[in-house]
Amino acid sequence: QKEVEQNSGPLSVPEGAIASLNCTYSDRGSQSFFWYRQYSGKSPELIMFIYSNGDKEDGRFTAQLNKASQYVSLLIRDSQPSDSATYLCAVNRGKGNKLVFGAGTILRVKS
Amino acid sequence: DGGITQSPKYLFRKEGQNVTLSCEQNLNHDAMYWYRQDPGQGLRLIYYSQIVNDFQKGDIAEGYSVSREKKESFPLTVTSAQKNPTAFYLCASGQAPSYGYTFGSGTRLTIV
Repeated sequence: QKEVEQNSGPLSVPEGAIASLNCTYSDRGSQSFFWYRQYSGKSPELIMFIYSNGDKEDGRFTAQLNKASQYVSLLIRDSQPSDSATYLCAVNRGKGNKLVFGAGTILRVKS
Repeated sequence: DGGITQSPKYLFRKEGQNVTLSCEQNLNHDAMYWYRQDPGQGLRLIYYSQIVNDFQKGDIAEGYSVSREKKESFPLTVTSAQKNPTAFYLCASGQAPSYGYTFGSGTRLTIV
């Protein structure tokens, strides 16, 4: 079992729709959870982080965390073609602020 | 502006040659990290350093070496012992567990 698992996609949504991206993790001791966006050929960019169960909203983005079920999700409202990218889920592991990354989900927003 | 600078952006080397990738940050972050990304795969941790003059192996350290002589700098050497070095290499830094990482723009290494 991988430490962090994501559906590779691609996930295709029409412009203006809600995109829902999911991630599961194996380490119950994980405390910090992150979503990065990576455009093709570029480096990852942090877009959301969450530590507590529940929802955290930032603009069009909402991160959701359920520690009991060990999953994290990212909702993107009013999806735009510029949101088309790979979204990486990352979870902290142990000491030293090490992050473990999933393989990413490719999102395509069609205009 | 604060950030992380990786150089070069593209690097071509022959098999059997050691190469060194540069990573410099001016964010005053204590911790620095090297990851490798292969097509269709997530980022895999090579080495990390939490303080100057100290570093630890990550999940795929074989064939790589690092140094941390200055807080700002964390160069990665890809040695000839690395079996498949062609990849996208990403350097990152972070200050506290809660805030995630800031990444550099990456170095794309191709062995020819």
